[in-house]
Amino acid sequence: DTEVTQTPKHLVMGMTNKKSLKCEQHMGHRAMYWYKQKAKKPPELMFVYSYEKLSINESVPSRFSPECPNSSLLNLHLHALQPEDSALYLCASSQNRGPYEQYFGPGTRLTVT
Amino acid sequence: QQQVKQSPQSLIVQKGGISIINCAYENTAFDYFPWYQQFPGKGPALLIAIRPDVSEKKEGRFTISFNKSAKQFSLHIMDSQPGDSATYFCAANTGFQKLVFGTGTRLLVSP
Repeated sequence: DTEVTQTPKHLVMGMTNKKSLKCEQHMGHRAMYWYKQKAKKPPELMFVYSYEKLSINESVPSRFSPECPNSSLLNLHLHALQPEDSALYLCASSQNRGPYEQYFGPGTRLTVT
Repeated sequence: QQQVKQSPQSLIVQKGGISIINCAYENTAFDYFPWYQQFPGKGPALLIAIRPDVSEKKEGRFTISFNKSAKQFSLHIMDSQPGDSATYFCAANTGFQKLVFGTGTRLLVSP
């Protein structure tokens, strides 16, 4: 099973709201990723968790706050977002060893109004 | 150089034809080259991948050709079908967790 699930599929939030995106995988992967993807662009890496610890933060603004409660779950907490943060947010997972073959979820389409 | 250059930006192919997408890189430390297929509103799906010790890998109608000396690799889609219409991303990594993506190719297979 190479499935990564994400909820919700769509999210509309105001700039003063607090919301969370959720990601789950049951492939036994110990690396999990958050990406942001704008229309007609490749995914941009935001965060990487290895063994439930944050290993990479690509200088993401603090209004995005990741959390990895256990090896299967990954959350992205959102607060005080800007309209330019509207995008498709993708979660991915991989083994925590080379070649780090990443499997993506379907994404959450986020609109900030 | 951490870039992967992908071409063409868009491609129209007749049904049954061969679709070819090319990528080039500079960083010789890259050692894993996956291709992803993405349909509108969906996440990228891993299609096929290759390591630099192999010159070609085939899975069904999809083939990666790899030229290590030229630092180029390409995706060939044989007998292209309308259902193959999607955006394709090449990528590369150095054995760590960061994937470097190409800019993407929008493929349209006309019936």
